[in-house]
Amino acid sequence: KQEVTQIPAALSVPEGENLVLNCSFTDSAIYNLQWFRQDPGKGLTSLLLIQSSQREQTSGRLNASLDKSSGRSTLYIAASQPGDSATYLCAVSAPRATFGDGTTLTVKP
Amino acid sequence: NAGVMQNPRHLVRRRGQEARLRCSPMKGHSHVYWYRQLPEEGLKFMVYLQKENIIDESGMPKERFSAEFPKEGPSILRIQQVVRGDSAAYFCASSPRTTYQETQYFGPGTRLLVL
Repeated sequence: KQEVTQIPAALSVPEGENLVLNCSFTDSAIYNLQWFRQDPGKGLTSLLLIQSSQREQTSGRLNASLDKSSGRSTLYIAASQPGDSATYLCAVSAPRATFGDGTTLTVKP
Repeated sequence: NAGVMQNPRHLVRRRGQEARLRCSPMKGHSHVYWYRQLPEEGLKFMVYLQKENIIDESGMPKERFSAEFPKEGPSILRIQQVVRGDSAAYFCASSPRTTYQETQYFGPGTRLLVL
C-alpha cells in the first residue's frame, strides 16, 4: 500500500527566504508525482508534474525534483512571498493518486 | 477545452437526505477518479471509473455510497441517507488513459455540508 509523507507539517518563514518542502513515498512504482497548492476552503492548483522518467521540473520560482529509487521528492521555493502562504500537497499516481497530508506554509511580511 | 467541471460547488443536506455530486470530465477523457477530503485531513481516494465500468472502488465506504460513469453524461457520486460525518470536500479528476504518462486533472470540488 502506497504511503506518502510530507515533512514538515507546518513551516513559517520570513519573506524572501528560500525554502524546501519534502515528500517521501513508499512504493517507487509510480506513474508521476505532482505538487499542488491548496488555499483554505479552495480546490487544488497544480504547480508541477514530474513524470516517473524525469528528475525535475521548474516553473518560475518553483523547482521540484524526483528521486524515484529513494522514494523522495522536494519542492524548492525561491524568494518566498506572503502570497505563497498555503498548504502544499504532494501526490503520487499509479494511476490513482495517493496524497500526503500537506505542508502548511506561512510566509510573514 | 474546458477543465473538469463539478457541480454543485456547495451542497447542503439534512441528515437522512440524499446527495448527488456530478463530475464532467475534460473533453476526450474517459477515466474519472473521486477523492474525499474530510475536515482537517488529507485527500483520500474513493473510486476509479471508466465509461460504464467501476475499475477500483477500494476506497468507497461499503454502505450508502455509490458511483457511476454512464456512456453519456457526467459521473455521479451518490450518497444516500447522509450523516454529519459525510461533510467534506469531494474532488473528482479525469484523465484520457491510464498509460504511465497520463496525469489527472482535478475539478474545483463540491463541498458537502450535512446539517
